[in-house]
Amino acid sequence: DIQMTQSPSTLSASVGDRVTITCRASQSISSWLAWYQQKPGKAPKLLIYKASSLESGVPSRFSGSGSGTEFTLTISSLQPDDFATYYCQQYNSYFTFGPGTKVDIK
Amino acid sequence: EVQLVESGGGLVQPGGSLRLSCAASGFTVSSNYMSWVRQAPGKGLEWVSVIYSGGSTYYADSVKGRFTISRHNSKNTLYLQMNSLRAEDTAVYYCARMEMATTFDYWGQGTLVTVSS
Repeated sequence: DIQMTQSPSTLSASVGDRVTITCRASQSISSWLAWYQQKPGKAPKLLIYKASSLESGVPSRFSGSGSGTEFTLTISSLQPDDFATYYCQQYNSYFTFGPGTKVDIK
Repeated sequence: EVQLVESGGGLVQPGGSLRLSCAASGFTVSSNYMSWVRQAPGKGLEWVSVIYSGGSTYYADSVKGRFTISRHNSKNTLYLQMNSLRAEDTAVYYCARMEMATTFDYWGQGTLVTVSS
């Protein structure tokens, strides 16, 4: 089974900050990685697929990069609506989510 | 507009059974890959099961042999039959449409299953 880790688990930031979240896979998953945003009490929302492709309708301040075992999600300028928990998900072999990174207000 | 509406959650005793439903609109369930994903209270996301458009089904090891995913084509509805429930199955269960066997692009609002005596 492929295991996913994320760092940090919590990130405190201010509006306008550049934010980077890291996701690592226990084995190579090529570029078969997605990122989701989840707000309390709501379903997750797909942001990025195939490591770096932006889902339709997602603001361009979100970007993804990486391949193999190490990936990053970057928010170029954090907005009030971006305070949420972010999950990575691999789909190289079945489907596994990372444990999540909570982005909260500094 | 794509919509997914789950129902069937509730309180059940350990060892009991429950069937979740997910009514879809705006697309055809049988033509898509569909999954169930769960989230225990205060925890992260866990993929549970998938049914491919061709009918193949797959399960997470944690539910294999206890849960069954199925669909009713004329009702355009996805199901999850859950048997031999355990306390660790307590979670919000989401149904999700998949983009082939890759990402979860549309999600329902979730239904809470609580396994407790």
